[in-house]
Amino acid sequence: NAGVMQNPRHLVRRRGQEARLRCSPMKGHSHVYWYRQLPEEGLKFMVYLQKENIIDESGMPKERFSAEFPKEGPSILRIQQVVRGDSAAYFCASSPPISGRAYEQFFGPGTRLTVL
Amino acid sequence: LAKTTQPISMDSYEGQEVNITCSHNNIATNDYITWYQQFPSQGPRFIIQGYKTKVTNEVASLFIPADRKSSTLSLPRVSLSDTAVYYCLVALDTGRRALTFGSGTRLQVQP
Repeated sequence: NAGVMQNPRHLVRRRGQEARLRCSPMKGHSHVYWYRQLPEEGLKFMVYLQKENIIDESGMPKERFSAEFPKEGPSILRIQQVVRGDSAAYFCASSPPISGRAYEQFFGPGTRLTVL
Repeated sequence: LAKTTQPISMDSYEGQEVNITCSHNNIATNDYITWYQQFPSQGPRFIIQGYKTKVTNEVASLFIPADRKSSTLSLPRVSLSDTAVYYCLVALDTGRRALTFGSGTRLQVQP
C-alpha cells in the first residue's frame, strides 16, 4: 500500500506566478489535510477536505490560497501570485473515513516551495 | 485546544533511554495525547497515542499520570537514527480533526 504521494517534491516559482501542489492520499483514505511548515517551526494546519467538500479551512490565508479534492484525482493546493513569504514546506496528510483514533494522520514527504 | 509545552532540545548518546516530557495543563476530558516524529526533509510520522496510564508499542512507551496534565514519551536505547524532532499533540478524538503542532523537541543522538 503506497503512502501519501506529493508532487512535485521541489517547486521554484518567481514572485507573481502560480504554484500548484498535488497530493494523492493513501488508498482507502477519503480525508485530506494540508499543512505548512516554515523553517525551524512546527506544522500549521491550513485546510481539511473530503471528496468534493471543504470541511475546515480555518487555517487558510484569506487571499491567493485555495484547495480542492475532486471526485477523481489528487487534492490540489493552489497558491496564486506567490510572494517570498510563501516559501515553505507544504505537507499533505490523509486519514481513513472512520477511525477510533482521529489523529493518526499519515503524512506525505512534502513539497518545498521556493519563491524567488 | 490544550496548549502543550515541551523542551526545545535534548541531547543523548546511543544506547541510552530518552524521556521527553510534555506539559498540557489545560487538557480536556475528551482529549487524547499523541506523539509524532519528524526527520529532516520528511513529513511527521505517528509514534504513539494514549489517554491515560501507560501505552507501549514497538517504538516507544507513553506514560500519562492520573491527572493527565503531562505525559512522557520514552524511547528505549536510542540510536543515531532516532535523531529527529518529536511533537506532543493534545486534541479531541472527534470533531475538529486538524492537528495542532507546537515547536517540538529536537533530539540529537550522539555516537
